[in-house]
Amino acid sequence: ETGVTQTPRHLVMGMTNKKSLKCEQHLGHNAMYWYKQSAKKPLELMFVYSLEERVENNSVPSRFSPECPNSSHLFLHLHTLQPEDSALYLCASSQDYNGHGRYGYTFGSGTRLTVV
Amino acid sequence: GESVGLHLPTLSVQEGDNSIINCAYSNSASDYFIWYKQESGKGPQFIIDIRSNMDKRQGQRVTVLLNKTVKHLSLQIAATQPGDSAVYFCAENSGGYQKVTFGIGTKLQVIP
Repeated sequence: ETGVTQTPRHLVMGMTNKKSLKCEQHLGHNAMYWYKQSAKKPLELMFVYSLEERVENNSVPSRFSPECPNSSHLFLHLHTLQPEDSALYLCASSQDYNGHGRYGYTFGSGTRLTVV
Repeated sequence: GESVGLHLPTLSVQEGDNSIINCAYSNSASDYFIWYKQESGKGPQFIIDIRSNMDKRQGQRVTVLLNKTVKHLSLQIAATQPGDSAVYFCAENSGGYQKVTFGIGTKLQVIP
């Protein structure tokens, strides 16, 4: 177990559905991230939260809406997605948001999202 | 299987041999580098890191080499085992989360 837990592991949703991805970390880290991982592409940073405040919205479409109710939990709310949004969505945490701290990011196992 | 591993550069190695995985980075200002391992169905996992003031760093069965002149990073795995089969990718950091760049990755296949 990496210390970062993501649920669900797999999600299939229609383009008109609303769903949420959940991430939880108990590492005492202060920063949490959402990344998108698509085939043949590098990891794409979506959102960054530091101490529950959003510090980065990396030009992500509004159909993705993050929420960070406390320093241990992070959500990604999904609404009216497109098929091209199908990907592996990874949550990560780090000691702080100044990039890689020692030992880099701790990633969850991801949610495999398929939009049909 | 994980679609992230499909159509990536692939390295096939016989079990027990040494593996060398290469990474070319783009930013000469990058001063911190990490290698991650991503097994099927899992998220990336930290393997080893190196700062730009070093040329070489060794861990358990792994060695990272940094050549700043040609902006090249390599990961060497000694006595490769079936459990080493995964996608490996490097990350460079030039300061702050905005400047963390991940590579696409190389798929390592270990032949028993």
